[in-house]
Amino acid sequence: AQTVTQSQPEMSVQEAETVTLSCTYDTSESNYYLFWYKQPPSRQMILVIRQEAYKQQNATENRFSVNFQKAAKSFSLKISDSQLGDTAMYFCAFEYTDKLIFGTGTRLQVFP
Amino acid sequence: DSGVTQTPKHLITATGQRVTLRCSPRSGDLSVYWYQQSLDQGLQFLIQYYNGEERAKGNILERFSAQQFPDLHSELNLSSLELGDSALYFCASSVGALAGVRDTQYFGPGTRLTVL
Repeated sequence: AQTVTQSQPEMSVQEAETVTLSCTYDTSESNYYLFWYKQPPSRQMILVIRQEAYKQQNATENRFSVNFQKAAKSFSLKISDSQLGDTAMYFCAFEYTDKLIFGTGTRLQVFP
Repeated sequence: DSGVTQTPKHLITATGQRVTLRCSPRSGDLSVYWYQQSLDQGLQFLIQYYNGEERAKGNILERFSAQQFPDLHSELNLSSLELGDSALYFCASSVGALAGVRDTQYFGPGTRLTVL
């Protein structure tokens, strides 16, 4: 079975600092996508970044980047220059047979 | 704004009742997905439709059903509601392609259902 684990229920960071959120997954598939979604207090689910498993290069979107370690089945999210608006729940997700399997989330608080 | 719309935003109803949640996908997207987010179960996939046909089923109760119409909007019907059905229900859409081809899902704002 495919599983996604986020072992950090809560994290905090000061504005302008860098923070890394962890995610591990388990699968026997070789071709898949991994995602980070952000859920701010408005409860909207917002796509942050996507990584294609067959690509060696780590994905980057502005201040957000991932460290994808396929052999270790690890997919962490790095947020640089943290902003107050980054305060949210962050969910790691694995796409399996057209559906997303989500981790339990990490609540990130950015302090001024 | 993801381009996916969901109505209503909030719904309050009583146990035993039936409700319908509506979703309109992004322009051009053929696939629609329904997810349930509850405190005890987290985010769970319910069902997927592609171009009007059911493509994948997850942990969807028999009391729940869905369909996708020719204009590609989708409805999720929840009947014989129980207190435990209170949750945030998300619709997501994607371009949709051959089954098993990787795709990116964009989420609507959700419908918050409260069963009293």
